[in-house]
Formats: sequence, C-alpha cells, structure tokens
Amino acid sequence: DGGITQSPKYLFRKEGQNVTLSCEQNLNHDAMYWYRQDPGQGLRLIYYSQIVNDFQKGDIAEGYSVSREKKESFPLTVTSAQKNPTAFYLCASSLAGSFYNEQFFGPGTRLTVL
Amino acid sequence: GIQVEQSPPDLILQEGANSTLRCNFSDSVNNLQWFHQNPWGQLINLFYIPSGTKQNGRLSATTVATERYSLLYISSSQTTDSGVYFCAVPPYGGSQGNLIFGKGTKLSVKP
Repeated sequence: DGGITQSPKYLFRKEGQNVTLSCEQNLNHDAMYWYRQDPGQGLRLIYYSQIVNDFQKGDIAEGYSVSREKKESFPLTVTSAQKNPTAFYLCASSLAGSFYNEQFFGPGTRLTVL
Repeated sequence: GIQVEQSPPDLILQEGANSTLRCNFSDSVNNLQWFHQNPWGQLINLFYIPSGTKQNGRLSATTVATERYSLLYISSSQTTDSGVYFCAVPPYGGSQGNLIFGKGTKLSVKP
C-alpha cells in the first residue's frame, strides 16, 4: 500500500560524522520535504524539492544537504557542520509543490549525537 | 513571516469529555491542515480545511479564514486521542508547498 517510509527509525552519530537519513515514497508525489522537530516544538523546514534534480533551502538548511535523483527518493545528509543535530527528522510529500496540496508525513527518524 | 499560535498549550481531560483546540494565524492562508502526533512521533493527517467545516467521526474542524482562526473539536474523548495536535499553514504568497507549524497542543486523556 502507498505511503512514505523513513529509515532508520533510530540513528546514533558520533561527533564529526556525516550520516544520511533515507526517505522513500510510492505515492507518485512530485514534491518532498524535510522537517526537523525539537522537543516541545513544532516542525521547521530544512529542505524541499518540487521536482527531480531540483531542491531549495528551507529555514534551517545550514549543516544539511540533500539530493533528488529519483522522484521516489529524497535522502537527507546531516553533516559534521550541523552544530546541534540531535532531533526528530520527518520527511513529507505532496502531490505538487503548491500550497493547495495536502502534505503527508513519514514515521520519522530520531537522531542522537553521542 | 506568518505566525501560527495554538492554544491551550496543554490540556488534560477525563475520558468522555469534549474539548476545543484553537489555531490562530497572522495572515491570509490558502490552506490549513490539522495533524495528530501520536506518542511514537507519527504525524497523522486529520483535516485539510482551508475554510468551512468538516467532520470525521468524533472529530470536526472549522476554519474561518477571514478571521484567521481554526478550531478542532474532539467529542467523547478517548485515551487514544492523547498526543500533540498541530495546525499548519503555508506561508502567504509562498508557492513551494511547505507548511509553517504552530507549537502544538499536548492533550492527555485520563481513563
């Protein structure tokens, strides 16, 4: 059945390491998004992509990178330049990158820096 | 940019009680979504409601876009309703489709 998957569910990173979070969708959605959630807070946009091979920075892109080589996949790399990466990361998608389109979310990845 | 404020921040109910959650936004919006975040972190879509009223079982939502607020009603609450409820809107004039989230209302339903 259709949906958005994220892996891994939990991820532990040592200081100075880069890690990549996976996000895959089989909803045939054009647009995909990465959000970060800190405890007791709402979600904040990291990066978004409206079509393959194109992506834009969100509000808190520093220390993160993405790629969009396939419509179904939008991986997020948390680099060593991200000063406070411990957070809950949520991937989302929508039919198109328009404010008229309902957005759906994956189950999330909890990243902890040791 | 657009501001989204939710109230109350915390709400404790006895099972069976009704509740109203409020979402105020500072600018005109083209759509609004309500989500329920369960204890495992999953965001579940409740309503996509740019205006008007919608109902889904014990839940209903009303958005009055001209007055810049939306209400989420939960009737006959159950322990499984516990979690955090978020409203989210796109930034006004934005065309990229991302959402601006409020800080949420944390609901605890006691048996």
